[in-house]
Amino acid sequence: AQSVTQLGSHVSVSEGALVLLRCNYSSSVPPYLFWYVQYPNQGLQLLLKYTSAATLVKGINGFEAEFKKSETSFHLTKPSAHMSDAAEYFCAVSPPVGNKLVFGAGTILRVKS
Amino acid sequence: DADVTQTPRNRITKTGKRIMLECSQTKGHDRMYWYRQDPGLGLRLIYYSFDVKDINKGEISDGYSVSRQAQAKFSLSLESAIPNQTALYFCATAPGGGGTEAFFGQGTRLTVV
Repeated sequence: AQSVTQLGSHVSVSEGALVLLRCNYSSSVPPYLFWYVQYPNQGLQLLLKYTSAATLVKGINGFEAEFKKSETSFHLTKPSAHMSDAAEYFCAVSPPVGNKLVFGAGTILRVKS
Repeated sequence: DADVTQTPRNRITKTGKRIMLECSQTKGHDRMYWYRQDPGLGLRLIYYSFDVKDINKGEISDGYSVSRQAQAKFSLSLESAIPNQTALYFCATAPGGGGTEAFFGQGTRLTVV
């Protein structure tokens, strides 16, 4: 079975500061990993995904994530937070076959001015 | 127009009533999913369908049923709604194969009183 743990249900950063959202996964087979973002009153939008190519994945809006097999982690980072980054972020895992996404509990990012 | 459309967007219903949530997609994808979102729990899979003749239970299917009327349409029913089914419901679609992006609707906010 696959699972995802997101450390920190709420993260608060100042505008311009580094954003780090943590995600650890559990999977018996090499997984696919995703980060989705949910803005208020909207659906989920893909930020980036890891599909066994490069371990450092770049996504939209300046976000990137690094797959570390030894740490079973896929943390999301952005060098400089912007007010528009305030949203809820979800890490998700799926097996190599099929698209059954398993989501973490989510992390709400607050950006302070 | 949105790629994945959910109707209604908001619904208040009474305990014991039957309610149907509808989803249609214009992506042409075979795979469709229903998720439920609760604060602090992330998104949990209710049902999924890999084609019109294939329906599968997710992790929290009790109290729900689905119908795949066509490749583009996937509806979720609550046969007898109860208050703990109050949640935000999302429909999603994805192409076949592993590691592909899922596209989400805007969500249906359901309140059972």
